[in-house]
Amino acid sequence: EDQVTQSPEALRLQEGESSSLNCSYTVSGLRGLFWYRQDPGKGPEFLFTLYLAGEEKEKERLKATLTKKESFLHITAPKPEDSATYLCASANQAGTALIFGKGTTLSVSS
Amino acid sequence: GAGVSQSPSNKVTEKGKDVELRCDPISGHTALYWYRQSLGQGLEFLIYFQGNSAPDKSGLPSDRFSAERTGGSVSTLTIQRTQQEDSAVYLCASSPMGTSSTDTQYFGPGTRLTVL
Repeated sequence: EDQVTQSPEALRLQEGESSSLNCSYTVSGLRGLFWYRQDPGKGPEFLFTLYLAGEEKEKERLKATLTKKESFLHITAPKPEDSATYLCASANQAGTALIFGKGTTLSVSS
Repeated sequence: GAGVSQSPSNKVTEKGKDVELRCDPISGHTALYWYRQSLGQGLEFLIYFQGNSAPDKSGLPSDRFSAERTGGSVSTLTIQRTQQEDSAVYLCASSPMGTSSTDTQYFGPGTRLTVL
């Protein structure tokens, strides 16, 4: 069964304290690994898509990487405005939907 | 440009009533998706529309749930005889082509449904 698992469930950081979020997937024939950010009361906001193992993408303080079994979202020197829930997803085999993990809720305090 | 819009933003209903949730996708996007996000759960796929093709309804949890998409644009998700377990945030997304599973999906703000 295709599955996406994220860890940790929650992460508290001090401003400037770098860390990584993990997303492990068991999907046959990966067609794309997606990262979204979700703020309270809002819909998910697209961040990155990764296709191939070894691929990396960056946006401001965020960098996403992909291996054959996992993806990491690295957060460098986070700021309070980076506080949100980060969601990881993979396309299902039919290509008709995304399979989401339960997310990692990040809190960054100043 | 305008993103995906959903209405209403909040809906409170009584158990047993029917509700309709509306989604306006991004103009020009041919694929439309409905998801449900329950407290403490991840996003759960409900239904997928792509152009004039038959929708993928494999995620609908029961026959009380149905959806239609008129004119390849606006979609309505209908829940009949609502139950308390239907309480959740219902999210709509659209993507440009929907012919590839790597097509990026863009989400609306969601409708928060509360069934009393």
